[in-house]
Amino acid sequence: QQQVKQSPQSLIVQKGGISIINCAYENTAFDYFPWYQQFPGKGPALLIAIRPDVSEKKEGRFTISFNKSAKQFSLHIMDSQPGDSATYFCAASQSGNQFYFGTGTSLTVIP
Amino acid sequence: EAGVVQSPRYKIIEKKQPVAFWCNPISGHNTLYWYLQNLGQGPELLIRYENEEAVDDSQLPKDRFSAERLKGVDSTLKIQPAELGDSAVYLCASSQGSGNEQFFGPGTRLTVL
Repeated sequence: QQQVKQSPQSLIVQKGGISIINCAYENTAFDYFPWYQQFPGKGPALLIAIRPDVSEKKEGRFTISFNKSAKQFSLHIMDSQPGDSATYFCAASQSGNQFYFGTGTSLTVIP
Repeated sequence: EAGVVQSPRYKIIEKKQPVAFWCNPISGHNTLYWYLQNLGQGPELLIRYENEEAVDDSQLPKDRFSAERLKGVDSTLKIQPAELGDSAVYLCASSQGSGNEQFFGPGTRLTVL
């Protein structure tokens, strides 16, 4: 059973546009929701993370929106750049123990 | 600061052969994770160590997979014998305690023929 469901599977955005990736979860005990960025041949790298006590967190061009009642969270990349082209994974964990990852979104930003 | 080091980066073996992967975590990181990443999928936890103790190995297929972290620093993941379905990327990650940011290595891409 997929603990975290992620969509879309792939996304193509024009340079300067907004990229939006969505994730949904069922386990209300999850208390930590990170987003990872992965380039080909590299391991995932933490991009930004949020805890359920806030509804939004912004770091530079990257924003997480969190809807606790809907059990959904999303990553917004503002002013998308070609260098943002990568695979993005959402994840969730309870008390920092086992992390459950989404299936990934392949983002392509067209110049 | 050096990141998580994994070797080899690539490995091609025939089915039924044994294979081992090595991971050296970031210095001072007591928590070490091994993940399996299939093509087009997110990482799936195989085992988590706190120092030298395996605190979560519930997802490790123990009939053919084994892991060790004898001195609480570097770790080895072994598969014996390998099967075709084991072809994947094996990622190692480390953190300063569970719940803190995980730093991933580049992974070992295993191909079983």
